[in-house]
Order: sequence, then structure tokens, then C-alpha cells
Amino acid sequence: EVQLVQSGAEVKKPGESLKISCKGSGYSFTSYWIGWVRQMPGKGLEWMGIIYPGDSDTRYSPSFQGQVTISADKSISTAYLQWSSLKASDTAMYYCARSETPGIAAAFDYWGQGTLVTVSS
Amino acid sequence: EIVLTQSPGTLSLSPGERATLSCRASQSVSSSYLAWYQQKPGQAPRLLIYGASSRATGIPDRFSGSGSGTDFTLTISRLEPEDFAVYYCQQYGSSPTFGQGTKVEIK
Repeated sequence: EVQLVQSGAEVKKPGESLKISCKGSGYSFTSYWIGWVRQMPGKGLEWMGIIYPGDSDTRYSPSFQGQVTISADKSISTAYLQWSSLKASDTAMYYCARSETPGIAAAFDYWGQGTLVTVSS
Repeated sequence: EIVLTQSPGTLSLSPGERATLSCRASQSVSSSYLAWYQQKPGQAPRLLIYGASSRATGIPDRFSGSGSGTDFTLTISRLEPEDFAVYYCQQYGSSPTFGQGTKVEIK
């Protein structure tokens, strides 16, 4: 069974750093792209970027380029999303999701449960 | 960046009725790289349709997708109580983006 399990909720202060994780199981982690999607409170979905764990090829949405870093450790089947300096506007639910084919142009067929990030002073 | 505009914003229907949701792209979506997702409160999105018209694994046949180029449609032939949710379209051909969502609510 394919599963993506994300790390738990985080409460941080503005300016702090953060790295959240997404662990894949039940499939070949290195053969499918993993993406990150933001959902701000009461709002829609925003595509942030994707990574291919097999070779760490990473693509970002122009809206998120330079704002976050996506990485992966294939030895432990885990992808990451990190911030170096959080802002209150980073408060949101963050989902990881797997591409439905090994190709880069693919929908997301399996999703993590989401990680709620709250940034408040 | 391709902008996806979904309409209507809210659809008020009764169980058993037919739902027709629209997704219009600001430029042509290559190779019909268009997907539809369902999201219920407190849950992650669920893939319904990919490639504009292919149902994802386990999705009932009352859900169907159609369209190409810049105009796409998700149709739910007969609404079941569990279908009341928010629906998003996504293009994944070039710098992927999502539409703003259509809420299907009980009338």
C-alpha cells in the first residue's frame, strides 16, 4: 500500500527556520516525483514545487522560488520542505503528494495527511 | 503561468442531480495534462480525473471528465451525499497550477 506520512504540526515564531518531512512507503521512492502543495487557511491549493528523489532534480513554482527549499534523502525515502526564515504569511497546511507516473508531467495520486505550520509571535 | 478559472464558485444541488463544473485555462493545456481533485473538510485532496478524462483508481463511474485545449468539464452524473465537497482542477503540463475551486453544496 502506497503511503505518504508527514511530520507533525509545528508552531514557530517569525524569523525561525523549519524543515518538515514526508516519508514514502509501499512503492519505489526513487522512481516517482514528490510534490509540495500549500493551502492557506480557508483558501485553495497552490503548487509549490517537486523533486525527483532518484537524482534530486527539483523544480519550483515561480511564486515559491527562493522562498523555500525542497530536498530528499532517498536512503530513508523521505522528502523535505524547509524555510530559513519563516513569516506569518507562511501559516498554512502543507501537503506532500506523489506523481501518478514516473514522468514529470503527472497529477498527484497519493497525498500525505498534511502538516499544519503556524507562525505567530 | 497558466491561470485556471473555475465556475461557478458555488453549485447548490440536491442529491441525485447532475453537477457540471467548468475549468477554463488562460492558454492551451498541453497534451490534456488536466486533473480534477475532490477535497472534503479536514482531508487531503483526492485525485478523481487525470489526462482530462481518465478516472483514477477506485473512482466511481458517475465522475467523468472531458475537454481539451482551454476548456474542461467535470461531470458528476448523479450526486451522492458523499460528493458534496470542493473540487479543484489542475494543469500539470507547464509550471503546474490549480484553479480556485468550486464548492458543491447541498441545496
